[in-house]
Amino acid sequence: ETGVTQSPTHLIKTRGQQVTLRCSSQSGHNTVSWYQQALGQGPQFIFQYYREEENGRGNFPPRFSGLQFPNYSSELNVNALELDDSALYLCASSSFRGYGYTFGSGTRLTVV
Amino acid sequence: AQTVTQSQPEMSVQEAETVTLSCTYDTSESNYYLFWYKQPPSRQMILVIRQEAYKQQNATENRFSVNFQKAAKSFSLKISDSQLGDTAMYFCAFMTDTGTASKLTFGTGTRLQVTL
Repeated sequence: ETGVTQSPTHLIKTRGQQVTLRCSSQSGHNTVSWYQQALGQGPQFIFQYYREEENGRGNFPPRFSGLQFPNYSSELNVNALELDDSALYLCASSSFRGYGYTFGSGTRLTVV
Repeated sequence: AQTVTQSQPEMSVQEAETVTLSCTYDTSESNYYLFWYKQPPSRQMILVIRQEAYKQQNATENRFSVNFQKAAKSFSLKISDSQLGDTAMYFCAFMTDTGTASKLTFGTGTRLQVTL
């Protein structure tokens, strides 16, 4: 079975720009979550999608938005980029919460 | 809100030895899940082991086992016969069993170095 794949692996953006990160969830997984991991920190929950609906959100501003598609792949969009948005963005998918999540290798976003 | 604390920023162990990583958490819920994830330099978070809070038996996965103390809200990871490939960041994580969102709350991690 394929795992979770994310694209791109690295990205450099200028402050104020917009960015879209993509994620293909593991086959059979209908729940996808996005996490932000700052350098030296544990991942922080951004939001979660279940069957194309956002069903949970962490402490992130509205300029962080997302989508989930019928094939359960997902996008994370960040508008008006700030320097503090520089981080590793991790996508994770699951079929049942108790099983935990399968993570992708992440997208390293650098905002300059 | 749930919190997860890992009090050991860095640890070192010799190959073939045993090491224990500590984790404590705070929650008012009675049903939840606990996880240990490993993050090597490749960045991908890899699930090491999981524990359901309503199960008293400690989970084991090959060389990895946990000591789950529900009353003390403690969830430590023991790695036996350490191997060089175990070198990584290890994160303890909590997930509630209630509500619509199944988010993971992570600790700050423990960097484990396995040496020859």
